[in-house]
Amino acid sequence: GQSLEQPSEVTAVEGAIVQINCTYQTSGFYGLSWYQQHDGGAPTFLSYNGLDGLEETGRFSSFLSRSDSYGYLLLQELQMKDSASYFCAAPDMDSNYQLIWGAGTKLIIKP
Amino acid sequence: DAGVIQSPRHEVTEMGQEVTLRCKPISGHDYLFWYRQTMMRGLELLIYFNNNVPIDDSGMPEDRFSAKMPNASFSTLKIQPSEPRDSAVYFCASSSTGLAGGPLTGANVLTFGAGSRLTVL
Repeated sequence: GQSLEQPSEVTAVEGAIVQINCTYQTSGFYGLSWYQQHDGGAPTFLSYNGLDGLEETGRFSSFLSRSDSYGYLLLQELQMKDSASYFCAAPDMDSNYQLIWGAGTKLIIKP
Repeated sequence: DAGVIQSPRHEVTEMGQEVTLRCKPISGHDYLFWYRQTMMRGLELLIYFNNNVPIDDSGMPEDRFSAKMPNASFSTLKIQPSEPRDSAVYFCASSSTGLAGGPLTGANVLTFGAGSRLTVL
């Protein structure tokens, strides 16, 4: 079946770098997106990878390897405000190309 | 733009009552999505519309759930009768491009509303 797998929780220290992984199994491949959701908030779009390689947006970067069906979100110079859940998402042909979502990774940042 | 606007933000009701959730998408966005989020099941797509027409409602859990989009600026999700297991956060989202055409097309970026937290007692 179609699925995206992410770790349920990751812990890191303020100022450090953390990587959140996502492996996917979808019908066809149409790109991998990342969303951030703070507790009590709504998911907000962070980044997108349509092709292999690294996409950088400030402190956040996202990487994709289509041959490995794998991607990751890299957060640098962690700040306490980065404490949130991070979701990977990908369109799925069997779902009328709508996004299917990973279960989310809760990022806990310690001072 | 004010973003996607949802109401109510919080709703507490008793089992058996009718619940109506409302959504105003971003002007110009042709796609509107209703999602439900729970700890157990994560984010689930319930239904989506394109140009006010329901395209895929396969995620609607039961006949107790219905959604309408009478015009481009308004949609409702109704639960009748409500049950405790319907307790969740319901998100509305809108997008200008509903389908991802491939790696060169770009992301299907969804803009979410703040959500409606429903508690059914």
